Amino acid sequence: DTEVTQTPKHLVMGMTNKKSLKCEQHMGHRAMYWYKQKAKKPPELMFVYSYEKLSINESVPSRFSPECPNSSLLNLHLHALQPEDSALYLCASSPKPGQGRYEQYFGPGTRLTVT
Amino acid sequence: GDSVTQMEGPVTLSEEACLTINCTYTATGYPSLFWYVQYPGEGLQLLLKATKADDKGSNKGFEATYRKETTSFHLEKGSVQVSDSAVYFCALSDRRGVYQGAQKLVFGQGTRLTINP
Repeated sequence: DTEVTQTPKHLVMGMTNKKSLKCEQHMGHRAMYWYKQKAKKPPELMFVYSYEKLSINESVPSRFSPECPNSSLLNLHLHALQPEDSALYLCASSPKPGQGRYEQYFGPGTRLTVT
Repeated sequence: GDSVTQMEGPVTLSEEACLTINCTYTATGYPSLFWYVQYPGEGLQLLLKATKADDKGSNKGFEATYRKETTSFHLEKGSVQVSDSAVYFCALSDRRGVYQGAQKLVFGQGTRLTINP
């Protein structure tokens, strides 16, 4: 099973709202990722968690706040977003690197619209 | 830094035509190479991978061979179907770029493929 799940599938929020995106995997992966994808572009890395600790933050604005409550769950808390933050937000996970395992597995994404 | 260059799209073919999407890479280490596919309204799915020179990845009739001498990983399929219409991303992961058990993927810009019946 190589499934990563994300909720909600679609989200519309105003610029003053607070919302959260959720991601879950049960593959025993200890690295999890958040990406942002704009139309007709490749995904852009936002955050990386490894063993439940934030290991990479790609200079993302503080209105995006990640959280990793346990090894299976990853959240992205959203507050005071701007219309330009509207995008597809993808979660991914990866197995322990080595023995040829350097791939990432992606969820279906959350389509976010900021009004 | 590492980079991936894909042929620009969009690519439009008729059903049962042969497909090649070119991908070349630049990396100073020993990357693993991937093709991901993204169907409309969905996330990315790992289509195939290769981890060392001369490896051939294959899945669902698609193939790609890791060519170190030409730094290429071209995606091929002998007979495409309407259901293959999607965006295809070539990507690499350099095992030197491992951060405490995680690694970064470097993506190409993506190639949009449309197959007409």
